[in-house]
Amino acid sequence: GDSVTQTEGQVTVSESKSLIINCTYSTTSIAYPNLFWYVRYPGEGLQLLLKVITAGQKGSSRGFEATYNKETTSFHLQKASVQESDSAVYYCALGLGGSNYKLTFGKGTLLTVTP
Amino acid sequence: GPKVLQIPSHQIIDMGQMVTLNCDPVSNHLYFYWYKQILGQQMEFLVNFYNGKVMEKSKLFKDQFSVERPDGSYFTLKIQPTALEDSAVYFCASSLAWTGGSQNTLYFGAGTRLSVL
Repeated sequence: GDSVTQTEGQVTVSESKSLIINCTYSTTSIAYPNLFWYVRYPGEGLQLLLKVITAGQKGSSRGFEATYNKETTSFHLQKASVQESDSAVYYCALGLGGSNYKLTFGKGTLLTVTP
Repeated sequence: GPKVLQIPSHQIIDMGQMVTLNCDPVSNHLYFYWYKQILGQQMEFLVNFYNGKVMEKSKLFKDQFSVERPDGSYFTLKIQPTALEDSAVYFCASSLAWTGGSQNTLYFGAGTRLSVL
């Protein structure tokens, strides 16, 4: 089956410091992987942060970046300088081919940015 | 951005009773979904729904589950009867399209926490 593994639990980063949340995926499907990062702010629904559907390409949004690395099957989320407003739960997700409605999610990483 | 609303945010129910979870999807969206997240686990796909029909369901979508969207109103997930293992957070999502570009982006609600006692 398919699976997504991301940095577990909680990550605490001081404001203006850099961030990396690791994500790796595994699939037995022959369909091409599409990779996503979703974010959930307190009390809100998941929002798509960024997505990449082509291996080797980088997605970016709100200062966050992630590169789809087919060789290492990874899609790590990075930001050079975090802000308190980035505090949220981040989810890495895998979609396959045209079936992007049936996402396989990681367990989520709670990011807390301290002043 | 577009909002998916889920009502209520938390529901407590006795095992064996029926429960209906309500979802108000993005107004012009055509495709609807439910996901389930057990505490400490990943969100998992349950079902997707289009034009009044279930298009695909996972093995988690038990016979006790049903979905509908009568008259274009709320998209609902009904569980009858409920079991202890149905305790989870249920997330509704909607999208404008099935595939292609940005139109198949899923927009999720904040979830309804269901506690079956």
